[in-house]
Amino acid sequence: GAVVSQHPSWVICKSGTSVKIECRSLDFQATTMFWYRQFPKQSLMLMATSNEGSKATYEQGVEKDKFLINHASLTLSTLTVTSAHPEDSSFYICTIRGMNTEAFFGQGTRLTVV
Amino acid sequence: DQQVKQNSPSLSVQEGRISILNCDYTNSMFDYFLWYKKYPAEGPTFLISISSIKDKNEDGRFTVFLNKSAKHLSLHIVPSQPGDSAVYFCAASRYSGGGADGLTFGKGTHLIIQP
Repeated sequence: GAVVSQHPSWVICKSGTSVKIECRSLDFQATTMFWYRQFPKQSLMLMATSNEGSKATYEQGVEKDKFLINHASLTLSTLTVTSAHPEDSSFYICTIRGMNTEAFFGQGTRLTVV
Repeated sequence: DQQVKQNSPSLSVQEGRISILNCDYTNSMFDYFLWYKKYPAEGPTFLISISSIKDKNEDGRFTVFLNKSAKHLSLHIVPSQPGDSAVYFCAASRYSGGGADGLTFGKGTHLIIQP
């Protein structure tokens, strides 16, 4: 299956700062990538769909000005959490969809805002 | 409103026995279903999938059954092994989306295999 690399795997930041998370597709040209978030003991929730060369599509309730997504190439999508607050502390995961529609996941990023 | 439901937060099974994880869905537009396994602090790993044109798909120790009329699917693991201990997520999507749709996940079931 496709290999997805996500970086960093964990980050601790101060409240009010911004954090950038990178998601790279190492062996598959992904026109579409997806960003999910998982709070403790909750399911993975789709945040947004990242489209190469165009604006991301956000799910209802997700602030597009807070969670900036850039998909500048077929192998890289970035999620920037701007002005992070403690309630943004979560596990963020990116995925790409393979040819058979199964999704391949990055390793995830554990964000802790203090 | 939870469109994909996994009603058992945890399940304990003895090593060597069969593990059965259940999943229900409400959205009739879903026609492709997947199971993922997840260890703490890692991304989910794809296990097995099934499209709505089938009622069974088998891959080694893993078998997924789909009952469309009941909007229910299950994952069978046999025989269960200690390394199977993890959280299992059921996910659904619209295959007709051509890979352009995100997945809708259940809350997961924590499977514990006891020696």
